[in-house]
Amino acid sequence: DQQVKQNSPSLSVQEGRISILNCDYTNSMFDYFLWYKKYPAEGPTFLISISSIKDKNEDGRFTVFLNKSAKHLSLHIVPSQPGDSAVYFCAATSRGGGSQGNLIFGKGTKLSVKP
Amino acid sequence: GAGVSQSPRYKVAKRGQDVALRCDPISGHVSLFWYQQALGQGPEFLTYFQNEAQLDKSGLPSDRFFAERPEGSVSTLKIQRTQQEDSAVYLCASSFAAYEQYFGPGTRLTVT
Repeated sequence: DQQVKQNSPSLSVQEGRISILNCDYTNSMFDYFLWYKKYPAEGPTFLISISSIKDKNEDGRFTVFLNKSAKHLSLHIVPSQPGDSAVYFCAATSRGGGSQGNLIFGKGTKLSVKP
Repeated sequence: GAGVSQSPRYKVAKRGQDVALRCDPISGHVSLFWYQQALGQGPEFLTYFQNEAQLDKSGLPSDRFFAERPEGSVSTLKIQRTQQEDSAVYLCASSFAAYEQYFGPGTRLTVT
């Protein structure tokens, strides 16, 4: 029973356009969400995060949107660059009640940005 | 500063052998996590340390898996009597106080 779902295994986008990666979750206790980027043969690299008290967080070309009522978040990359080609993982955790913060990951979406 | 390092990067073990995987977290990071990533899946939680204390080992798949962090820095994940289903990438992550965990490159274990 997957608590974090990334329903699109892959996404192809033209350079300069917007990339939108989606993520759904089922556990209402999750209150902190993160996106990681992973290149082959490397570990996941932290990209951006958002607390459940916010609905948007922006960092340069990357913006994460959170819709708590729909239990849905998305990562927008604008403009997309070929170097953004990687696997993107959505992760969630619960920080309440002294939780240790271990992350629950989705299966990832492979983004290909074509020149 | 150096990031999280892991060794070896690749390990091939024959079924039944014991293996030990090492993680050097970022200096000063209190929290250390181990994850297992199977092919085509996201990382899955194995165990958590706060300093030298192992506070959660609920994700360890069997009693063949054992982890330690005796001095609150370097950690070792040991797998006894390896099985084919143990083949995966083992990721270590550390964090200070916030919940942004920083991952090492992983150890790819192949059990033949």
